[in-house]
Amino acid sequence: AQRVTQPEKLLSVFKGAPVELKCNYSYSGSPELFWYVQYSRQRLQLLLRHISRESIKGFTADLNKGETSFHLKKPFAQEEDSAMYYCALSSTSGSRLTFGEGTQLTVNP
Amino acid sequence: NAGVTQTPKFQVLKTGQSMTLQCAQDMNHNSMYWYRQDPGMGLRLIYYSASEGTTDKGEVPNGYNVSRLNKREFSLRLESAAPSQTSVYFCASTIIESNTEAFFGQGTRLTVV
Repeated sequence: AQRVTQPEKLLSVFKGAPVELKCNYSYSGSPELFWYVQYSRQRLQLLLRHISRESIKGFTADLNKGETSFHLKKPFAQEEDSAMYYCALSSTSGSRLTFGEGTQLTVNP
Repeated sequence: NAGVTQTPKFQVLKTGQSMTLQCAQDMNHNSMYWYRQDPGMGLRLIYYSASEGTTDKGEVPNGYNVSRLNKREFSLRLESAAPSQTSVYFCASTIIESNTEAFFGQGTRLTVV
């Protein structure tokens, strides 16, 4: 079975501070990991995926298979980053997305 | 390009009433999903349809039924609503059932009193 855990339900930082949203997963095969974001009053949308190895809106995430983690990081948080963030997993062999519990990030001025 | 459209956006039901949530996508995606979003529990999969003509249970299917009417449309039915079904419901679609970006509807906020 596949499982995604986001240990922090709420995370609050000040503008300009670094931010890290934690994500751990369990899956026996080779996973594909994603971060989705939901801004206030907007629909859920893809932020980034690990296979792309790209930085979106200053966010990066590295897949650590040894620690089974896919933490989301940004060196300098902005107020517009305030949102709900979901980590998600699917398998390369084809399975539906499994989401974590979500982390509500608040960036204070 | 509308993407994924859900109706209605809001609904209040009395316990025991039935209703159908509608979802349509115009991206020619094969796979469609219904999730519920509850505080502290993330998004939990109710049912999904990997392709037209197939449906399968997700994590929390009890109390729900689905219909994949055609490639575009995937509806979720509550036969006898219960207060435990108060939630925000999201429909999503992907090109295929793996490893691709999921596109979400705007959500339906359902309250069962």
